[in-house]
Amino acid sequence: ETGVTQTPRHLVMGMTNKKSLKCEQHLGHNAMYWYKQSAKKPLELMFVYNFKEQTENNSVPSRFSPECPNSSHLFLHLHTLQPEDSALYLCASSQNPTAGADQETQYFGPGTRLLVL
Amino acid sequence: KNQVEQSPQSLIILEGKNCTLQCNYTVSPFSNLRWYKQDTGRGPVSLTIMTFSENTKSNGRYTATLDADTKQSSLHITASQLSDSASYICVVSVGGSYIPTFGRGTSLIVHP
Repeated sequence: ETGVTQTPRHLVMGMTNKKSLKCEQHLGHNAMYWYKQSAKKPLELMFVYNFKEQTENNSVPSRFSPECPNSSHLFLHLHTLQPEDSALYLCASSQNPTAGADQETQYFGPGTRLLVL
Repeated sequence: KNQVEQSPQSLIILEGKNCTLQCNYTVSPFSNLRWYKQDTGRGPVSLTIMTFSENTKSNGRYTATLDADTKQSSLHITASQLSDSASYICVVSVGGSYIPTFGRGTSLIVHP
């Protein structure tokens, strides 16, 4: 196991629902990331948090709202999603992004498989 | 536009055989290239990382090569095992950026 946990592992929701995905890292890292992985597509970086501050929003629609209360926890709040948002949502963490974001090895969680009906 | 292309899209081999996966990239400025292994139902796990000056890196039965001139990388798997069945993702990082460029991955199936 990589030390990054995600809950729930599977989620089915309607387009009018509100739900939240949770990520927790037990590695003492200072940066956390949300990715979207759709079938037949490359991973897409959504958000980056360094020391609890958001440093990247990769043009993500506002129906996805991240929250990082501390360096160990990351949430992704979902509301009024569309069927095309169905995907695997992966959380990752890395040690010290200020040392050079491109040099960091990211450790991924198992993901939440989301289905929007 | 930064891009990473992987081939083949999928590959089926028999247990014990070797195989090679390919990655071509157009990313600038280049910082490093990683290969990840993603088992079904799991997140990706880093196998190797290579910078501009490195042209080969090994991790057990996995050997990655990098040709920075032609912007190509390969991942060679020796004496494949059933547990090698997974998706292998090539990822290229841009200097100073948090946003890496991912390939679509190669799905490898190893049959007994």
